[in-house]
This record gives sequence, structure tokens and C-alpha cells, in this order.
Amino acid sequence: TQLLEQSPQFLSIQEGENLTVYCNSSSVFSSLQWYRQEPGEGPVLLVTVVTGGEVKKLKRLTFQFGDARKDSSLHITAAQPGDTGLYLCAGVRSGGSNYKLTFGKGTLLTVNP
Amino acid sequence: SAVISQKPSRDICQRGTSLTIQCQVDSQVTMMFWYRQQPGQSLTLIATANQGSEATYESGFVIDKFPISRPNLTFSTLTVSNLSPEDSSIYLCSVEDQGFQETQYFGPGTRLLVL
Repeated sequence: TQLLEQSPQFLSIQEGENLTVYCNSSSVFSSLQWYRQEPGEGPVLLVTVVTGGEVKKLKRLTFQFGDARKDSSLHITAAQPGDTGLYLCAGVRSGGSNYKLTFGKGTLLTVNP
Repeated sequence: SAVISQKPSRDICQRGTSLTIQCQVDSQVTMMFWYRQQPGQSLTLIATANQGSEATYESGFVIDKFPISRPNLTFSTLTVSNLSPEDSSIYLCSVEDQGFQETQYFGPGTRLLVL
């Protein structure tokens, strides 16, 4: 059983469209991170959310941590081809090791011009 | 954030041989991590490396197959031993954020193909 379930697994959209990626779990997380990984590169940290209900914005990207700290979403407005990549959520479970990150399987996003 | 480099960036190896991957950080960090990302898959933690102590391995990973060194606070190596085609993968090192330990920063990865 995957601890962090990401959906959708694949997403192909046209430039200018909006999209939302979800990261869900039955476990509570003390923090959750979102990364973007481009082909041939390592994951690059986009944001860390810590507080239940927290919303963070990074230009056209909006991240939300669920009130119960079990889920998170990433919303992209007016997607651009440069947003193409693998989006990974990762979290540290409450009560677990304070450094062990558990990753979801990722959402592979393709934005077509 | 930390700047992390890895060597080699990619390699092609014959089965039965070994590959040692180096990870260098531009600042001193307590904990370094090694992950494996198999084709089309997410990241799986192999082990955690603290300076001055033996690495802590996750379930399914053993020291004989993945020996790790951590000689100082800015450097670590991961060796993948007795290579088989199933070891073909991306190997990534990461470090914890010094301000918030639950956040990690990743190197660019080492792409290994075993023939």
C-alpha cells in the first residue's frame, strides 16, 4: 500500500489551461513537500507546508495542506510548457523519524504549446 | 538551500563490477541521504549517512550491496556492488535543510545502466 497516493499519474494539457494535482494519505504528516523533477535532473524543492490548512503561493502555483494534515494539492494556473515535469509530493509522518521522507509516485505533467 | 554535486553524472557498467558515486555539498550538513529512482518510479530511500557513524539502511537494502562512506560533513560516497541489470537506476543524494530538518535538497543524480 502506497503511503502517499498522487493523482492523476499522467496529465497532458494545452498551454493556458489550469490543473490540480492531488496528494492523499490516511496518515498524518508533520510536514509535506512538493518537488518538480525535469528529465535528467534531480528533484527541485518547490515548497514545504507545515500547518494544517496552510496555503502557499509561488507565482502561478498554489499549494494547500489539508486541515487534518493528511492531504495536499497543487494548483497551476495558466500552465506553460516550462511547467512540464514530474511533480512529487513527499512527507514526514507525525511520530516517525524526523528526517525520513516518504514520496508519492508522482504526476507526470506535459504542457503542450 | 545547499548546492549538491554528484559524480559521475552517468555511467554504463558491466554486470559483476561495482560503481562508486560521490556526493559533495557546499556546506557542512549533519545528515546525508541516498535514494534510488528506478525507471518510471518514485524515490526510495536506501540509507541515511551520518558523519562518524555507520549508515542506517532501510528495509531491503544491505551494507554488503550498498556500502556507504561519510568521511566528513560535506562528502559521502555510495558504492553499488556486484552490479546486475536490475541495479540500472538513478541514484540521488540529498541533504537536510539546516533550518528545517524535514526538508531535503537533492543532487542532480547519477544515471547507471548495467549491461
